[in-house]
Amino acid sequence: DTAVSQTPKYLVTQMGNDKSIKCEQNLGHDTMYWYKQDSKKFLKIMFSYNNKELIINETVPNRFSPKSPDKAHLNLHINSLELGDSAVYFCASAWGRGYEQYFGPGTRLTVT
Amino acid sequence: ELKVEQNPLFLSMQEGKNYTIYCNYSTTSDRLYWYRQDPGKSLESLFVLLSNGAVKQEGRLMASLDTKARLSTLHITAAVHDLSATYFCAVDPLGSQGNLIFGKGTKLSVKP
Repeated sequence: DTAVSQTPKYLVTQMGNDKSIKCEQNLGHDTMYWYKQDSKKFLKIMFSYNNKELIINETVPNRFSPKSPDKAHLNLHINSLELGDSAVYFCASAWGRGYEQYFGPGTRLTVT
Repeated sequence: ELKVEQNPLFLSMQEGKNYTIYCNYSTTSDRLYWYRQDPGKSLESLFVLLSNGAVKQEGRLMASLDTKARLSTLHITAAVHDLSATYFCAVDPLGSQGNLIFGKGTKLSVKP
């Protein structure tokens, strides 16, 4: 059983489109995160979500919005995609803030 | 600005040799994590260091944390090819509630 799963694994789309990436965890964790890894492998936190409380990294454009239908899911919706959005996006989950985070397999987004 | 600096960023080692990767951070924190990433793969949790003086060992890897010096080390003993990967340290700043700040990663290559 995959602990943290993401779909799709690869996503190729054109500038200006809107897309979503799905994340599901079956670990019973309370907190979920989205990270962006750029072409230089630098990882940056985008969002954390715990008990319906959202903490947003202030540098994330408002074209990015997380949506959590329930505790086990945290989806990432991106509007008006730009070339600079091309990256690998990782979802992670943890028992709570400050606990070890378990990462999903990543979604490679390519914007053309 | 919060900074997490790893060095070296690239490390080429011979099998059987020892080496240390350093992780310095600029903010107050008592939680530090080490992750491993293989090419095209997700992040695998290696160590969770939760207090000053914490030392953890797993196989040929040993991690330590000095919160007063704001320094963590990842020591590699008698390196083998299977350890080739990128290693990231990540700091959980005090009060950030789990929004990890990652170092740039150390790409380790172990040659026979």
